[in-house]
Amino acid sequence: KNQVEQSPQSLIILEGKNCTLQCNYTVSPFSNLRWYKQDTGRGPVSLTIMTFSENTKSNGRYTATLDADTKQSSLHITASQLSDSASYICVVSAVGFSGGYNKLIFGAGTRLAVHP
Amino acid sequence: DGGITQSPKYLFRKEGQNVTLSCEQNLNHDAMYWYRQDPGQGLRLIYYSQIVNDFQKGDIAEGYSVSREKKESFPLTVTSAQKNPTAFYLCASSNDLTFSYEQYFGPGTRLTVT
Repeated sequence: KNQVEQSPQSLIILEGKNCTLQCNYTVSPFSNLRWYKQDTGRGPVSLTIMTFSENTKSNGRYTATLDADTKQSSLHITASQLSDSASYICVVSAVGFSGGYNKLIFGAGTRLAVHP
Repeated sequence: DGGITQSPKYLFRKEGQNVTLSCEQNLNHDAMYWYRQDPGQGLRLIYYSQIVNDFQKGDIAEGYSVSREKKESFPLTVTSAQKNPTAFYLCASSNDLTFSYEQYFGPGTRLTVT
């Protein structure tokens, strides 16, 4: 069964600290993996998209890693800011469903709270 | 929110009433999508459309209907047949017809049915 599991469910850190969010998936065959940031009551905003051949990708203070062998990804946030408080969603795209379309499988997200 | 607007932001309805959620995009994207988000769960696909006058059921289409009469617009109707309609509804669009690449999301509509 195609699944995306994220950990931890929630996390509290102090402003200025670093943190790492985890994503494990059982999706196959794999197309790409995305990380989104979703502020409370808003739509998700894309942070990174990584294909099979990419091990790491950065977007400012956000760095995503991908290990396609172990089917794990992480999102590392450096020098956290209050504005980083949000949910972070891992999404995996699986190849080759009906009509030639991929299928997106969404994780439930990690809720991050950054405190002053 | 990437040129996608959803209205209204909050919507309240009585059980048994149909309700239509608006989604408009000015990104000139061909593909548009509707998702439902419930607490503690990942987004689930309701309907998607790759082209005007054509749309496909997603994973949880029962109790919902859509139309795509214009490229810019993809309204979602939540009918009285939807058993648990209270949720956060997200519209998205992309230039990719195969779900391969980035989707741009609107700000969402929170629907409460009592």
